[in-house]
Amino acid sequence: GDSVTQMEGPVTLSEEAFLTINCTYTATGYPSLFWYVQYPGEGLQLLLKATKADDKGSNKGFEATYRKETTSFHLEKGSVQVSDSAVYFCALTRGPSGGGADGLTFGKGTHLIIQP
Amino acid sequence: DTAVSQTPKYLVTQMGNDKSIKCEQNLGHDTMYWYKQDSKKFLKIMFSYNNKELIINETVPNRFSPKSPDKAHLNLHINSLELGDSAVYFCASSQDHLSGNTIYFGEGSWLTVV
Repeated sequence: GDSVTQMEGPVTLSEEAFLTINCTYTATGYPSLFWYVQYPGEGLQLLLKATKADDKGSNKGFEATYRKETTSFHLEKGSVQVSDSAVYFCALTRGPSGGGADGLTFGKGTHLIIQP
Repeated sequence: DTAVSQTPKYLVTQMGNDKSIKCEQNLGHDTMYWYKQDSKKFLKIMFSYNNKELIINETVPNRFSPKSPDKAHLNLHINSLELGDSAVYFCASSQDHLSGNTIYFGEGSWLTVV
């Protein structure tokens, strides 16, 4: 079945550091890929997405590129802030050739802590 | 206006009780979902409905029964609550159930069974 693997945290960085959170996936067909963010005590918000190979999703200084050859969708940010502290989830929906999308398959989440 | 709204946000109840969580979306979407987030933050789909019809029913105890009176609403009823049902339950919606459509989440309902 489909699966998403991402580095588990907590990941602790200093403010203004460079961030990479790795995400790899296994899926039939051509999935769409997403990063969601969950701030403490809040719900899930879409951070960015990419729907086909080589697409780059970006938002709020975060970027991720859909790499089909390595089945990866790593999240990056050049300079993190304390306010970026949250749990980040990589997720996919299966493409039509895989039988249609059945909602999101999530990774286990990466807890990011940014220290001042 | 909140796009996907669910109530209540917090619910503390005793084992054996029956409770419901309501969800409404005002985005005009055809597809709605329920997800469960456990204590380790792991998220897993429970159900999805497309135009009021059930299209996904993952391995969920039949104590959990979703009800979709119209495509803007998907309520979750839980019978005979157990300690292991304690979790955060997220309602969500998308334009349809095709891949690539963004799935929008509600703010979650924190259920604690004591």
